Amino acid sequence: DAGVIQSPRHEVTEMGQEVTLRCKPISGHDYLFWYRQTMMRGLELLIYFNNNVPIDDSGMPEDRFSAKMPNASFSTLKIQPSEPRDSAVYFCASSDRNYGYTFGSGTRLTVV
Amino acid sequence: GQQLNQSPQSMFIQEGEDVSMNCTSSSIFNTWLWYKQDPGEGPVLLIALYKAGELTSNGRLTAQFGITRKDSFLNISASIPSDVGIYFCAGPYSGGGADGLTFGKGTHLIIQP
Repeated sequence: DAGVIQSPRHEVTEMGQEVTLRCKPISGHDYLFWYRQTMMRGLELLIYFNNNVPIDDSGMPEDRFSAKMPNASFSTLKIQPSEPRDSAVYFCASSDRNYGYTFGSGTRLTVV
Repeated sequence: GQQLNQSPQSMFIQEGEDVSMNCTSSSIFNTWLWYKQDPGEGPVLLIALYKAGELTSNGRLTAQFGITRKDSFLNISASIPSDVGIYFCAGPYSGGGADGLTFGKGTHLIIQP
């Protein structure tokens, strides 16, 4: 199993541009989570899906953030328009019901 | 929301020393998990605890689920260089869904040569 695959690994973009982060969960895992990690705030849950349906998006910071999961093997997190304060490492994780999250390697986003 | 407080924030130790770190919560947890994050990677699950008082080992790592259900401890015996990283405690998130995890801010473990 290749694990949770995220792309790109690094993204540098200018303020105001649209950014799309991608995630392929582990096959058979029915939960998918998006987290953001910063030095100040640590790991924050943004949104999670169960069987492709968004369950809790209360952690999404504002309307500029949106996430989709069109099928069991793919999810996107989009920021439009991006701002410098969105700079962080964004992690996708998937799991079965046992809290045994498997994290991807993350996307390091820098907005300049 | 829930807060998980980890201490210490950083540890500077010599190779071969034992390490202890803990995590406390403002509310009761039914599950405690410990993760380790290496530089440039995502966190990896080390140990999961599901019952108050439970003591679980994974090689040189031992974790305990506190009796009050508001704390947990992680010990590492005879530290080696590959133990360097950030250790996170985590527990089920009390937001709208029941399946997300709340993470502590982490304990940075640094091994001095």
